[in-house]
Amino acid sequence: GQQLNQSPQSMFIQEGEDVSMNCTSSSIFNTWLWYKQDPGEGPVLLIALYKAGELTSNGRLTAQFGITRKDSFLNISASIPSDVGIYFCAGLNYGGSQGNLIFGKGTKLSVKP
Amino acid sequence: NAGVTQTPKFQVLKTGQSMTLQCAQDMNHEYMSWYRQDPGMGLRLIHYSVGAGITDQGEVPNGYNVSRSTTEDFPLRLLSAAPSQTSVYFCASATSGRLGYTFGSGTRLTVV
Repeated sequence: GQQLNQSPQSMFIQEGEDVSMNCTSSSIFNTWLWYKQDPGEGPVLLIALYKAGELTSNGRLTAQFGITRKDSFLNISASIPSDVGIYFCAGLNYGGSQGNLIFGKGTKLSVKP
Repeated sequence: NAGVTQTPKFQVLKTGQSMTLQCAQDMNHEYMSWYRQDPGMGLRLIHYSVGAGITDQGEVPNGYNVSRSTTEDFPLRLLSAAPSQTSVYFCASATSGRLGYTFGSGTRLTVV
């Protein structure tokens, strides 16, 4: 089935550093979503992207919808301990059902205090 | 406004038992979905619905049934539980046009 390749799988960063992660697909997507999941909780929507080239910010988080429609990027600036968690990208395939949202396998972020 | 509510939060089943995981949303969302989350696998789509009376299969539908008789509710039925169905199950909903899905807090299911 359709797959999203998310990288890196995990990363350790020093508090205050910037973080980048990305998601790629072999197919064209018309919606990209970025979620964060804390232990024992459901994913929480961070940023939604609906147009190729779109760049959207939410506080220290910035995400971009790739021009090719096959990728998306999430950047976190000046990381803090509460940024720890698992970040997921999710996408809706162009031409597919609007209900068929698929997820990447996640990037686990750990911050060294 | 409670958002997406899932019950129960925890459940232990014996192999072969059946049960229904409940999901309700009070946001009048058209779209509802069920996912399972296993370590290292991310979230995999089981079934989804784009409106009352309309359901479709996701990536991993085998062993699960759904129905959508109302906009608010989207129950997930396990017909004959198997150990391979041990997982954390999440329900999510969204409105059309701006599809930022809202997730429930999950049901942790163990099949022994």
